[in-house]
Amino acid sequence: EAQVTQNPRYLITVTGKKLTVTCSQNMNHEYMSWYRQDPGLGLRQIYYSMNVEATDKGDVPEGYKVSRKEKRNFPLILESPSPNQTSLYFCASSSQGVSYNEQFFGPGTRLTVL
Amino acid sequence: KNEVEQSPQNLTAQEGEFITINCSYSVGISALHWLQQHPGGGIVSLFMLSSGKKKHGRLIATINIQEKHSSLHITASHPRDSAVYICAVGNTGNQFYFGTGTSLTVIP
Repeated sequence: EAQVTQNPRYLITVTGKKLTVTCSQNMNHEYMSWYRQDPGLGLRQIYYSMNVEATDKGDVPEGYKVSRKEKRNFPLILESPSPNQTSLYFCASSSQGVSYNEQFFGPGTRLTVL
Repeated sequence: KNEVEQSPQNLTAQEGEFITINCSYSVGISALHWLQQHPGGGIVSLFMLSSGKKKHGRLIATINIQEKHSSLHITASHPRDSAVYICAVGNTGNQFYFGTGTSLTVIP
């Protein structure tokens, strides 16, 4: 089944404790992206990647890192999480860019930073 | 800054009604996407369009590039259509901007 998976689905952590949210897709997609969703602000793009070893900042990249060493995986790293990073995070992929391609979304990761 | 604006924010309709959700954007785009988010949180893509009109079942999406405006119509609405509908635009730089969503409730 074609899908985008994220782990963990729920995470409660404390300020400053490094964490990684994994994202994996099995559709051989080139484009992958991370978004955060906050009440009243909607979804905002954090980082995106056009292909292996090619990543770019989105609208709200501060406090996050990403890597794309393999085509299928695009982990989101929070080196020193802070409470303002409490949010619902979505990973998504598409065959190429978002210009002309449908995006497939993962199920979301709900992160709480205390 | 709000690159994408949606209206209305909330919408309640009786089953069977015709529904319209509007989206305006201020940036140059390559394509506009309509997404659906169900109460469980999952997001699915409904339409992607760069011109004209697309139809899928009871859903119709239109876009006017000159006016930078798109509409999503739902004909013969049903309670299972209750969800948040999100407009999003992708630019040539592959960045993606979202509206804040329209929460639709269809009452039987």
